[in-house]
Amino acid sequence: AQRVTQPEKLLSVFKGAPVELKCNYSYSGSPELFWYVQYSRQRLQLLLRHISRESIKGFTADLNKGETSFHLKKPFAQEEDSAMYYCALHNAGGTSYGKLTFGQGTILTVHP
Amino acid sequence: DTGVSQDPRHKITKRGQNVTFRCDPISEHNRLYWYRQTLGQGPEFLTYFQNEAQLEKSRLLSDRFSAERPKGSFSTLEIQRTEQGDSAMYLCASSLMGVIDYGYTFGSGTRLTVV
Repeated sequence: AQRVTQPEKLLSVFKGAPVELKCNYSYSGSPELFWYVQYSRQRLQLLLRHISRESIKGFTADLNKGETSFHLKKPFAQEEDSAMYYCALHNAGGTSYGKLTFGQGTILTVHP
Repeated sequence: DTGVSQDPRHKITKRGQNVTFRCDPISEHNRLYWYRQTLGQGPEFLTYFQNEAQLEKSRLLSDRFSAERPKGSFSTLEIQRTEQGDSAMYLCASSLMGVIDYGYTFGSGTRLTVV
């Protein structure tokens, strides 16, 4: 069964410090992974997807199949990055195509 | 099109009552998903539709839960004989089939409190 694990429920850093939000997955097929973010009083929204290898708001995430990880990183955290972050795994197989499995989320707090 | 809309935003109901939630997806999206989120947890998959067809239902959904998408547009999620354990945020999302690459668009959710 597929699973997404975010080992840290809470993560606190100071402004300007590097930040890494951890995500590990378990999936038998070829994984497709996403990071979603929820800012205070806003709806859940897509932050980035691994296939595009993009940087959004200074965040990047690299898929490491050997370690089954998809950690989210930013070299210099900003206060506006404070939010809840979810890692999600897409089920690309059969009738479950399109279904996402989410991790438990990590609350990131960036202190001034 | 203002994105995915959910109604109501909040619902407080007494145990044993029935409740119904509505989701209006982005008009051109043919996939519609329902998720449930409880405190401290990530969204958990409940069910999804491709157009009007319900393609998968989670084991989390007991017989008290039913979802419809009658014309392939809006969807409703009904919970019969509510229990306190049903208290949660119910999220709706939509996407275009075949372009999961672009992810889901979520609604704001309906927060259900069963008292």
